Amino acid sequence: TQLLEQSPQFLSIQEGENLTVYCNSSSVFSSLQWYRQEPGEGPVLLVTVVTGGEVKKLKRLTFQFGDARKDSSLHITAAQPGDTGLYLCAGADPGGYNKLIFGAGTRLAVHP
Amino acid sequence: GAGVSQSPSNKVTEKGKDVELRCDPISGHTALYWYRQRLGQGLEFLIYFQGNSAPDKSGLPSDRFSAERTGESVSTLTIQRTQQEDSAVYLCASSAFQGKGQPQHFGDGTRLSIL
Repeated sequence: TQLLEQSPQFLSIQEGENLTVYCNSSSVFSSLQWYRQEPGEGPVLLVTVVTGGEVKKLKRLTFQFGDARKDSSLHITAAQPGDTGLYLCAGADPGGYNKLIFGAGTRLAVHP
Repeated sequence: GAGVSQSPSNKVTEKGKDVELRCDPISGHTALYWYRQRLGQGLEFLIYFQGNSAPDKSGLPSDRFSAERTGESVSTLTIQRTQQEDSAVYLCASSAFQGKGQPQHFGDGTRLSIL
């Protein structure tokens, strides 16, 4: 069974601080996606990383896919209250069909 | 609409009743996925459709759960003889095809509560 461990589970920080969320697995994924989910809504895709070692930037968010395609990180610089939400990482099963294996999520709260 | 649509948005039912959840994927998307999200947890894969066929049903938790898709569009997830542990948000996602790195677009889910 493939598992994706996400940490930390909860993060409460002040506006302007930096943070990193980690996603780790013993399994290899064909790609990894990061989503953000607001209460009562479905997850919204932030980024997809496909190549081992790949780094993608989305404004103040930096996403990295591990060289072995088993782990990933999300780094937020100078967090804003608007960054508050549930962040989910999801690895695509290399066995086919692109079904996603999700981490348990990191609930981020950024206080003004 | 342009996104994935799910109905109903909320469903409250008594233990033992059957429920049917509906998903309208983005037009033209051939791949459709169902996931379940229990309170405070990540999403669990349930079933995958490519067109009208379901080559991967490995996530369905029991034979009380079934799903179908007709006309390469609408899909329904049926739960028979509901149990309290079935309480969760059921999310549907679609993608243009099931290739590597293809983004999945999610609906807002159906929140199912079993009394």
